[in-house]
Amino acid sequence: AQKITQTQPGMFVQEKEAVTLDCTYDTSDPSYGLFWYKQPSSGEMIFLIYQGSYDQQNATEGRYSLNFQKARKSANLVISASQLGDSAMYFCAMRGGGETSGSRLTFGEGTQLTVNP
Amino acid sequence: DAMVIQNPRYQVTQFGKPVTLSCSQTLNHNVMYWYQQKSSQAPKLLFHYYDKDFNNEADTPDNFQSRRPNTSFCFLDIRSPGLGDAAMYLCATSRSRQVLSNQPQHFGDGTRLSIL
Repeated sequence: AQKITQTQPGMFVQEKEAVTLDCTYDTSDPSYGLFWYKQPSSGEMIFLIYQGSYDQQNATEGRYSLNFQKARKSANLVISASQLGDSAMYFCAMRGGGETSGSRLTFGEGTQLTVNP
Repeated sequence: DAMVIQNPRYQVTQFGKPVTLSCSQTLNHNVMYWYQQKSSQAPKLLFHYYDKDFNNEADTPDNFQSRRPNTSFCFLDIRSPGLGDAAMYLCATSRSRQVLSNQPQHFGDGTRLSIL
């Protein structure tokens, strides 16, 4: 079974500062992918960043970077230079379980990020 | 341009009255997924199609069915909606089922279902 844990129900950050959103995962599969999605109040799920279980380097996408610590089973999202538009729910998700499972995404409970001016 | 389109954006139905939610995609992806997301909770996978092959999650209630008449369209049918089925329903697509693919699932904007 796969499990994603996000221990921060809510986070606050000042505009232009960096913020780290925590994510830990549990799986017995050697192969898996880790994703972060952003969900504004309007509801759509927006893909942010991906890290594969065999990737040696931490993923980066613009202002987003993923701090991947495989031994600790953590995949924290770092947002640099926060903007007001970053205020949203952030979900960490893991893809695994093999192809017959559809490579389903298992989501954490999410972290509500609020960026203050 | 939207690549995964869900209609309607908001749906209101009566308790026990069948309802159908639709999803279409312009990505020509092989895999289509339906997720249920209740208020302040994580999305939960209901089922997925790999081409025409339907795959149900073990804990998806029998009340939920799905149809995929062609590559582009997928429907979610709720036969007898109960109050507990009020939620956001998210459709997603994926090119493949490869676990290590860096291609993400692409989500539609969702349909918010309310039950009266």
